Amino acid sequence: AQSVTQLDSQVPVFEEAPVELRCNYSSSVSVYLFWYVQYPNQGLQLLLKYLSGSTLVKGINGFEAEFKKSETSFHLTKPSAHMSDAAEYFCAVSGRDSSYKLIFGSGTRLLVRP
Amino acid sequence: GAVVSQHPSRVICKSGTSVKIECRSLDFQATTMFWYRQFPKQSLMLMATSNEGSKATYEQGVEKDKFLINHASLTLSTLTVTSAHPEDSSFYICSALTSGGAYTGELFFGEGSRLTVL
Repeated sequence: AQSVTQLDSQVPVFEEAPVELRCNYSSSVSVYLFWYVQYPNQGLQLLLKYLSGSTLVKGINGFEAEFKKSETSFHLTKPSAHMSDAAEYFCAVSGRDSSYKLIFGSGTRLLVRP
Repeated sequence: GAVVSQHPSRVICKSGTSVKIECRSLDFQATTMFWYRQFPKQSLMLMATSNEGSKATYEQGVEKDKFLINHASLTLSTLTVTSAHPEDSSFYICSALTSGGAYTGELFFGEGSRLTVL
């Protein structure tokens, strides 16, 4: 079984400041890792994913994440925040056991201040 | 990217009635769809896995007689909340996995359906 921990329920940043949203996971098997963004009353949009290969993954809207197996982490970063980045961000994990089920973290609300 | 559509996006019903939510993959075939439930300001909780042509697999603690799932075709899965009560009010989101080929590592999510039970 897998689990995901997003320790920060909210992360406030100023516009143009760097962003880091933390994600740690637990799994007894190898995993795929994902970050999704959700705007109010909408579904989820995939930001980026790690399946294999390079551990530094680049996604949409200038976001990237680094898979660190030794730390069981997959933190999301962006060099400079925009007001439009304000949203809820979910880290998710799926086991490589072909179940394809996504397990989500509790989410982190990114607050961007002018 | 692939498109998944949910209908209705919002529904209000009286307690005791049943509500059906549809999840359609518009431009691809999906042998597997997933149904999630999201309470306000909380994460998504997986309710069940829906496989085309077979019975859904429910997660622990989810009442299968309460939340009926049917995946009758490769492009449509439905979630029926039977005898709805106010505690069933929630945001329901479906996702679809493309069929065939290697696992691409991406699920496509619908826009969600907000159910309010009075």
